[in-house]
Amino acid sequence: AQSVTQLGSHVSVSEGALVLLRCNYSSSVPPYLFWYVQYPNQGLQLLLKYTSAATLVKGINGFEAEFKKSETSFHLTKPSAHMSDAAEYFCAVSAEAGTALIFGKGTTLSVSS
Amino acid sequence: DSGVTQTPKHLITATGQRVTLRCSPRSGDLSVYWYQQSLDQGLQFLIQYYNGEERAKGNILERFSAQQFPDLHSELNLSSLELGDSALYFCASSVLASGRAGDTQYFGPGTRLTVL
Repeated sequence: AQSVTQLGSHVSVSEGALVLLRCNYSSSVPPYLFWYVQYPNQGLQLLLKYTSAATLVKGINGFEAEFKKSETSFHLTKPSAHMSDAAEYFCAVSAEAGTALIFGKGTTLSVSS
Repeated sequence: DSGVTQTPKHLITATGQRVTLRCSPRSGDLSVYWYQQSLDQGLQFLIQYYNGEERAKGNILERFSAQQFPDLHSELNLSSLELGDSALYFCASSVLASGRAGDTQYFGPGTRLTVL
C-alpha cells in the first residue's frame, strides 16, 4: 500500500528565507510523486511532479524537489520565501500513471515580513 | 484556472437530504476523479471514472454514488446526508492515456457542502 507522510503540519519562515517542506513516501513500486499547493478558498494547483525522468524536479514559482530513493523522500524547497507563498502544501503519491492520488495531511506555510 | 469546472460552489442542506455535485473535466480529458477534503480526514480519494466507466474506488460510502456521462461530465450523488459529510468536494481530471507516465490531475475549485 502507498502512503505519504508530511513532517510538520505548520512551517513558519521569514520572507527571503529558505523554504523546506518535508515529504516521505511508502510505495512497493516505483512511485509518481507530486506537490500541490492550495491557496485559501481555492482548488489544488500542481507545483511539480516526479516521473523518474530526473531526480531533481523544478516546478512553478521557484520551487523544486529532489527524489531520494534511498531515503524515500521528496522534499520541497525554495531558496527564498515570498509572502505570496503562504498557503497549504500537499505531497501526493501515485503508483501508476493516472491512478488516484494518495495525499499527505498537508503542511501550512506561513511567511512573515 | 485549471479548466475543470464544478457546480455549485457552495451547498447548504439538511441531514437526510440528497444532493448532486457536478463536474466538467478539461477539454480532452477522459478521466474524472472525486476527492473529499475534511478537517479530520484530510484529502481522500472517493472514486474514478474513465470514459464513462468506473475505474477505481476509494473510501466512498455506500450512500454516495457517481457517474460519468457520454459528454464526459460527471456527477457525484450524496444521499441520506449526515453532519459528518460536510466537506469540500473536489473533482479532478486527467488524460489517462495508456503508457503515459505520471498523468497530471487538474483540480477544480471544489464544492463546499455544509450539512446542518
